Amino acid sequence: SAVISQKPSRDICQRGTSLTIQCQVDSQVTMMFWYRQQPGQSLTLIATANQGSEATYESGFVIDKFPISRPNLTFSTLTVSNMSPEDSSIYLCSVPEQGAFFGQGTRLTVV
Amino acid sequence: AQKITQTQPGMFVQEKEAVTLDCTYDTSDPSYGLFWYKQPSSGEMIFLIYQGSYDQQNATEGRYSLNFQKARKSANLVISASQLGDSAMYFCAMRADSSYKLIFGSGTRLLVRP
Repeated sequence: SAVISQKPSRDICQRGTSLTIQCQVDSQVTMMFWYRQQPGQSLTLIATANQGSEATYESGFVIDKFPISRPNLTFSTLTVSNMSPEDSSIYLCSVPEQGAFFGQGTRLTVV
Repeated sequence: AQKITQTQPGMFVQEKEAVTLDCTYDTSDPSYGLFWYKQPSSGEMIFLIYQGSYDQQNATEGRYSLNFQKARKSANLVISASQLGDSAMYFCAMRADSSYKLIFGSGTRLLVRP
């Protein structure tokens, strides 16, 4: 199974600022997924990050708010832009290959 | 469209007893997989067990087993000999083999009583 390292594990940010979350995998993977889990809710897919092409966003999520980079087959970043308190959530990256494993998650609080 | 339903928002179980967490699903894809995850208060998603739609036998992983009833479209998680450390949120998820996206249920909060 893949080992997925995500950082930061948590952060408290001021509204109006941006936070970039990093996800590193110990093997090359084709797809990486980014999920959001709002307080008390289940996980919702934000987008699919494919190496060498633009990320594919799910309904309700836009690139200006959640820009994603995928510079190589082992790394991706998700930026939460112009944050508001409603963005307070746990953000998780996932690798669908070799199963469906997740990074440790980033618990974001926007104040 | 795919859908996962977990009808138990919360469950209690006595330590050392077995507990079943319910999960039903709906999909038109003929090939799919079903997953269970544990989410402790730290927020990480811990993979527990996987069942493929064509698997003939129910999956087992240590104290976890998946009661897969394909005709009923159910994939219940059974935890045997509950431990205090089992207290957490549990999510059922499905992934069609035509897509790698996971669809999650709403989760069940399990509390193990000493």
